[in-house]
Amino acid sequence: DTAVSQTPKYLVTQMGNDKSIKCEQNLGHDTMYWYKQDSKKFLKIMFSYNNKELIINETVPNRFSPKSPDKAHLNLHINSLELGDSAVYFCASSLGLAGPENIQYFGAGTRLSVL
Amino acid sequence: AQSVTQPDIHITVSEGASLELRCNYSYGATPYLFWYVQSPGQGLQLLLKYFSGDTLVQGIKGFEAEFKRSQSSFNLRKPSVHWSDAAEYFCAVVDSGAGSYQLTFGKGTKLSVIP
Repeated sequence: DTAVSQTPKYLVTQMGNDKSIKCEQNLGHDTMYWYKQDSKKFLKIMFSYNNKELIINETVPNRFSPKSPDKAHLNLHINSLELGDSAVYFCASSLGLAGPENIQYFGAGTRLSVL
Repeated sequence: AQSVTQPDIHITVSEGASLELRCNYSYGATPYLFWYVQSPGQGLQLLLKYFSGDTLVQGIKGFEAEFKRSQSSFNLRKPSVHWSDAAEYFCAVVDSGAGSYQLTFGKGTKLSVIP
């Protein structure tokens, strides 16, 4: 019944590896987001997709590539992982892009640790 | 660009005491304002939001917040804190004048509750 679900919850990997984080929402929303929360708890948007189309792409290394196979899914693939990628990654979704009614609902987060 | 400031990094209160968490924003027009709570190991849950109208808004879990345009503030309050309120609290703003409707978060305030 979880509205926005992310897998895995924890991910520990070595530098240089490639990994993916999956996100699924069952709310029927059109818009999905990825946020990064650093070690100081600061949350910053990375990407947003609306109807599978990339809308926001903040200054993120091109090692990070989001993929949206359908409106209900937005996966995050990270190539050549670096120590600085260690963070908690949150997926979120909203009804759409336009208007304040589109409250963002967040997943529980994926804690990525790069060793 | 809009910004959000939460001046208090960490606040400790006794159970049953009142609480006020401060949030100031920097934005020219009327912003859309939110408070989210993040319990340990959990995702973000929306507590309340302000879009327009009554400047005192009620949220879940007994929280309320007041929008004060003259002070560019949106402080969160609760008259009597419970131990389960211990969490990280984030204030956020959406730029209602831009096209991207992305959330900009403050750096969070950690709330500790003493039994």
